[in-house]
Order: sequence, then structure tokens, then C-alpha cells
Amino acid sequence: GAVVSQHPSRVICKSGTSVKIECRSLDFQATTMFWYRQFPKQSLMLMATSNEGSKATYEQGVEKDKFLINHASLTLSTLTVTSAHPEDSSFYICSATSGAEQFFGPGTRLTVL
Amino acid sequence: AQKVTQAQTEISVVEKEDVTLDCVYETRDTTYYLFWYKQPPSGELVFLIRRNSFDEQNEISGRYSWNFQKSTSSFNFTITASQVVDSAVYFCALLTPSTGANSKLTFGKGITLSVRP
Repeated sequence: GAVVSQHPSRVICKSGTSVKIECRSLDFQATTMFWYRQFPKQSLMLMATSNEGSKATYEQGVEKDKFLINHASLTLSTLTVTSAHPEDSSFYICSATSGAEQFFGPGTRLTVL
Repeated sequence: AQKVTQAQTEISVVEKEDVTLDCVYETRDTTYYLFWYKQPPSGELVFLIRRNSFDEQNEISGRYSWNFQKSTSSFNFTITASQVVDSAVYFCALLTPSTGANSKLTFGKGITLSVRP
């Protein structure tokens, strides 16, 4: 199956700093990438849908100024958590699709101290 | 609107027992896809199966089997002779491709399965 990578896999940062997470489709071109957030013992919640070359579409309740998404190419999307706070600590998962099937990255565990 | 209900939150079984994980979905679309994913403690989502709405055949893959019943809008997952390695969170998900590549997956809340030796 198609492979999606995420970097970094784990990050610990101080409150107030910004953190960038990369999502790459390694062996296919992804027309659309999705960003999810998963708090402990909860389900995946979609944050935003990202299409190459256009602005991301954010789900209700997700602050677009805080979670900056850039989808500059068909193989790379980045999520930047700006001025991170402890409540942003979570597991962030991206997925990429070129059709009906989504391929998930391994996730990035963000801990904000 | 799309909705996926996984009524069971936690299930604990002893190794070698069979276990069924329930999934009920809601959609007004006639074309849709149903998925099951496994999320072990490492966090990475592992794809298990995709089923489209026009294919009601049940599927078996090793110890795993799936029962798709459109009449009851259910897509249940059975693990036969469970093993400790099956311990994970299992998610059922629904996708309606009516909007093409922007289609969103709707996840259930997940079922935490613990298999005891």
C-alpha cells in the first residue's frame, strides 16, 4: 500500500513556541491531505482538509490562525502549531488520498510543557 | 450527516476467545465505504478492511471476519481465537465520496480491546 510519513514522530516543546509537523506521501501524489487530532482515549477528530495549492478548509472550532496548514506540493503538507500551549498536547495524525482511500501517517505526539 | 456508532467502549476477553466488535453507521448516501482500523499502543493506524456499499459479501481474512448488513446499517468485526497481540483500539469509519477527493472519514469513538493471556 501507499506510504505516508510524518516528521517528527515525537516533540516536546515549551509553552509559547511554534512547532511544525510534516506529512509526506512517499510513493504517490496526494491531491488531498487531512490533519487529525487525537486526545488520549478519544477518537480521531478531523481538524482540516488540505488541497495542494489552495487554502485549507478547517473544521468548526479549529482556529486557523493557530493551526497553520501549508500544502505546497502534491507530496507534502505541513501543520504548524503556533504559540503552543499545554492544551495543544495531543497526537496529530495526517492522512493522504488520491481517491477513495486514505493512507495514514504514523502520527506525531506533541507535548507542550 | 454521517455518523458512526461504536456502542462498546471497552471489551476484555481471555486469549482464544472469539470477540465481535459492533459498528452501526448512518448516511443518506447510497454510495459509501466502510473501514476498520486497528490502533495499537504505538498509535499508528493500521488499515484492516474497506468495504463499499454495493458489496454485501462477508469477508474473512485469517482470524478476522466482517459482517456487513445494509438492512441494519451494521458492519461488525469478529476476531476468532483472539490473541494478546490483538489488544488495541479498533475504529470503524465511514466515507462518502460524493464530494470526490475531499471526502471526509467519519470515525466512531473506538473500542478498546484487551486480550488477557
